[in-house]
Amino acid sequence: SQELEQSPQSLIVQEGKNLTINCTSSKTLYGLYWYKQKYGEGLIFLMMLQKGGEEKSHEKITAKLDEKKQQSSLHITASQPSHAGIYLCGADSGNQFYFGTGTSLTVIP
Amino acid sequence: EPEVTQTPSHQVTQMGQEVILRCVPISNHLYFYWYRQILGQKVEFLVSFYNNEISEKSEIFDDQFSVERPDGSNFTLKIRSTKLEDSAMYFCASSEQGPRNTEAFFGQGTRLTVV
Repeated sequence: SQELEQSPQSLIVQEGKNLTINCTSSKTLYGLYWYKQKYGEGLIFLMMLQKGGEEKSHEKITAKLDEKKQQSSLHITASQPSHAGIYLCGADSGNQFYFGTGTSLTVIP
Repeated sequence: EPEVTQTPSHQVTQMGQEVILRCVPISNHLYFYWYRQILGQKVEFLVSFYNNEISEKSEIFDDQFSVERPDGSNFTLKIRSTKLEDSAMYFCASSEQGPRNTEAFFGQGTRLTVV
């Protein structure tokens, strides 16, 4: 079965703090995607990682994919209230994308 | 910036009624998807569609569900006889190429409430 495990399930941080969200697959992935979902809204694409060891950054968010392409981390530096939401990692299985259970992030001003 | 649009944003229907959820994918995209998210649960794959036919469907996508691309722009999901457990947020997505090569872009969703 295709499973992506995310940890932690939820995270509450003070504004300005750094944080990391992890995503683990039992299988080697072809690619790994990170999305953000605001409560009750659609998924917003953040980053796609395809190569082992790849790292990408956008503004204060950095995502890495390990060499084995089974684990990814999403790191937010100096978190802001605008970073709040649910972060989903996703992968593909040829004809579809599938997603992890999500990590709910709350940033306290 | 191009985006996937879904209508309606919220639909309330009586159990047993048929509903059609509509989506306009990004214009140059070739792959289309429907997902659903029951409140508080994970985003679940329903179906993928390419070249006017279903590429893959999940166990959730049973005979009550169907998809159609009636013209060059719309992509619809029909639920023939809705059940209470069909209440969920339904997301349409599209991608320029297949999932192995590119990311999918999602619409804002249609919240379906079956009463």
